[in-house]
Amino acid sequence: DQQVKQNSPSLSVQEGRISILNCDYTNSMFDYFLWYKKYPAEGPTFLISISSIKDKNEDGRFTVFLNKSAKHLSLHIVPSQPGDSAVYFCAASAHFGNEKLTFGTGTRLTIIP
Amino acid sequence: SAVISQKPSRDICQRGTSLTIQCQVDSQVTMMFWYRQQPGQSLTLIATANQGSEATYESGFVIDKFPISRPNLTFSTLTVSNMSPEDSSIYLCSVLPFLAGPLNHNEQFFGPGTRLTVL
Repeated sequence: DQQVKQNSPSLSVQEGRISILNCDYTNSMFDYFLWYKKYPAEGPTFLISISSIKDKNEDGRFTVFLNKSAKHLSLHIVPSQPGDSAVYFCAASAHFGNEKLTFGTGTRLTIIP
Repeated sequence: SAVISQKPSRDICQRGTSLTIQCQVDSQVTMMFWYRQQPGQSLTLIATANQGSEATYESGFVIDKFPISRPNLTFSTLTVSNMSPEDSSIYLCSVLPFLAGPLNHNEQFFGPGTRLTVL
């Protein structure tokens, strides 16, 4: 039972354009969502998060949008840069679930120079 | 954030042997977790390492196969016992520096991972 899904295994975007990565979840108990970036041979690096009391959170080039009714969130990167090429994981947690994270399957983003 | 190191960074092991992975944090943290990432798959939580008590395992993972220790607030070990090729994965330690309050959460920080290959 995959509670967090990233339906696009890969995405290619031209440098300077907007990258949009999508994530869907099924568990209505999730109330906190995070995006991690992972380079090969490294651990995941925290990127940005959003609480279920918000519908948008912005940090520099990165913006996360949350649509609770659709159980959907997205990460926007604009403008995209070559260093953004990595695997992006969406993750979710429930406040009363001992903070453990449930991860999506990841989307490999490739920025084309 | 916290600086996390793992040892070894990678290893190649024979079937039937055991490997202990160490996770060291540069500061005291509230919670420590162990994850597994099998080839081409997502990260799956193995267990929560509890300081001074037995780890809390997720469904599908048992203490006999993955014994965990956490003797203090900065260190934990995961042992992969009686290994088989199916145990070939990246094993990741993560930490939660502070417990969330009623209105906020905190982000987990990950170590660099241990790449295990079992022949």
